[in-house]
Amino acid sequence: AQTVTQSQPEMSVQEAETVTLSCTYDTSENNYYLFWYKQPPSRQMILVIRQEAYKQQNATENRFSVNFQKAAKSFSLKISDSQLGDTAMYFCAFMSSPYSGAGSYQLTFGKGTKLSVIP
Amino acid sequence: DAGVIQSPRHEVTEMGQEVTLRCKPISGHDYLFWYRQTMMRGLELLIYFNNNVPIDDSGMPEDRFSAKMPNASFSTLKIQPSEPRDSAVYFCATQVIANTGELFFGEGSRLTVL
Repeated sequence: AQTVTQSQPEMSVQEAETVTLSCTYDTSENNYYLFWYKQPPSRQMILVIRQEAYKQQNATENRFSVNFQKAAKSFSLKISDSQLGDTAMYFCAFMSSPYSGAGSYQLTFGKGTKLSVIP
Repeated sequence: DAGVIQSPRHEVTEMGQEVTLRCKPISGHDYLFWYRQTMMRGLELLIYFNNNVPIDDSGMPEDRFSAKMPNASFSTLKIQPSEPRDSAVYFCATQVIANTGELFFGEGSRLTVL
């Protein structure tokens, strides 16, 4: 079974600064998807960014980017120019590729990192 | 589309009572998942459906929990009888595999069992 580990339960960053959240995972599969989800105090889970394992290029979405190291099974999230609205829980998640034949498309989530952006 | 709709948003009940949580998925999404979130255990998958058929219910904690999806537009998660340790936020999420697997979550139902 896949496992996802987020080693930083809490982090803080000054507004406008850059912060990196760590995530490692364990799998024997070669094709899979990785995700970062954000959960603000409103509780709604929102997709931040997605990475497909077969793509070597790191995904970016505006101020959010990832550092995907497939051999190391590492998938960190970098938030640039942090804003107060970035304050939230951030969850890393893993999913087997639907084309891998694994037959299960569930996402496995890490325990989360609570990020606080300080004014 | 209105997104995944869950009800109730908050539920407070007493131990032993039956609890029913409801979910209306996004139209056209083939997969529906029920997750439970607690501080101690994080997000746990309880059960998921594909085209209204339960595929994997190995995460359902006990026989007190049951889930149904009678049609493509509606799913329920029932707890009978409820216990204080069932207190958690329950999320429904849907997915279209052709869209690379992103989960679309509802706003969650916060359950408190006294």
